Amino acid sequence: ETGVTQTPRHLVMGMTNKKSLKCEQHLGHNAMYWYKQSAKKPLELMFVYNFKEQTENNSVPSRFSPECPNSSHLFLHLHTLQPEDSALYLCASSQDRGRYEQYFGPGTRLTVT
Amino acid sequence: GDSVTQMEGPVTLSEEAFLTINCTYTATGYPSLFWYVQYPGEGLQLLLKATKADDKGSNKGFEATYRKETTSFHLEKGSVQVSDSAVYFCALSWAGNNRKLIWGLGTSLAVNP
Repeated sequence: ETGVTQTPRHLVMGMTNKKSLKCEQHLGHNAMYWYKQSAKKPLELMFVYNFKEQTENNSVPSRFSPECPNSSHLFLHLHTLQPEDSALYLCASSQDRGRYEQYFGPGTRLTVT
Repeated sequence: GDSVTQMEGPVTLSEEAFLTINCTYTATGYPSLFWYVQYPGEGLQLLLKATKADDKGSNKGFEATYRKETTSFHLEKGSVQVSDSAVYFCALSWAGNNRKLIWGLGTSLAVNP
């Protein structure tokens, strides 16, 4: 595997379900990001981890819970989501938090029913 | 606050046509400027960047020049191909905003044979 991978690619879940999104980067980077991409809105930065420490949480509701066990893996745990949470969730990584260039995974298309 | 404005799409062109996608920005500091591209079903990829005024970024036949006087970073390509069909995002980042990427809404490009 190369670059940034995300699983699953598609997820349909009910509002009472609990699920997790997984991201893995094979680039040797130290910073990882979660973004939310919704139609007709700018890309929204959700969380930033640098050397496994969370450095940014942009007022994301607590029904989204990130986890970064090491610099290569990033999870987004989901529970009691709302239909408006349906979106494409993108993971990205960069060499460290101070680098501009970010490398993105293909995303997980989430539908909340 | 910092912001990026892109021309609204969709943009539809015939193969070998000239492409311009306009991007203007507002920033309190001296930002670096980026174009990212998102092909169907994929994550975003860095297409090109420029880090200071009058710099020209180029890649895969695309070019953009950092114009401080007009606060612009327009994307151009002399002859588009069907394979260039994608969504193009303009973004900025600077040290004063913790190098957070500020995104435009994206411009969808469709190239017909």
